[in-house]
Amino acid sequence: ETGVTQTPRHLVMGMTNKKSLKCEQHLGHNAMYWYKQSAKKPLELMFVYNFKEQTENNSVPSRFSPECPNSSHLFLHLHTLQPEDSALYLCASSPTGQGPSYEQYFGPGTRLTVT
Amino acid sequence: GNSVTQMEGPVTLSEEAFLTINCTYTATGYPSLFWYVQYPGEGLQLLLKATKADDKGSNKGFEATYRKETTSFHLEKGSVQVSDSAVYFCALSDQFAGGTSYGKLTFGQGTILTVHP
Repeated sequence: ETGVTQTPRHLVMGMTNKKSLKCEQHLGHNAMYWYKQSAKKPLELMFVYNFKEQTENNSVPSRFSPECPNSSHLFLHLHTLQPEDSALYLCASSPTGQGPSYEQYFGPGTRLTVT
Repeated sequence: GNSVTQMEGPVTLSEEAFLTINCTYTATGYPSLFWYVQYPGEGLQLLLKATKADDKGSNKGFEATYRKETTSFHLEKGSVQVSDSAVYFCALSDQFAGGTSYGKLTFGQGTILTVHP
């Protein structure tokens, strides 16, 4: 059972469409993350939010636009995507604090296909 | 910067065989180390972790020991099952200056494990 949910689980969109991915965590965490997982490539960290503030953007193209309205919800708005953007998009959350480290908890992912 | 290197896969084993997946890292400071597992069609799940040198993480028969002298965190299991077939990721945490951390991770490229009956 996961405390991080993602919707939709599968999405097919054309290059001119606009869609959004949603992530919700029920764990009381304050940090949230978007990752891209493509076949035969390492996990790519896209964005990091801590207490609703974006703390990291790893040179992600502007056709991906994140939004974090509160610590429990994270969105990824998509527009004019390219076929190479087809991938599994994973959301994760973690606590924030003074400890040595905090593991991340992942959602099941959204499988995105751009046609 | 930080980096994690895992052994190349895929790894194919027969049931009840011994498993080792090598992981080495480069980091400044004293990172925490993790193994995550991803079953087909699912997200990543934490398998085990170690937060300081010589710590041993263990879960579901898997073990890994934090070796600072060799900067390694190899994953082992004495007897694998078909249900262990998955992708395994080694990862380390970033410890931010000032002592506040929120679990930002650096992942290895993943190792595919397939176990046959």
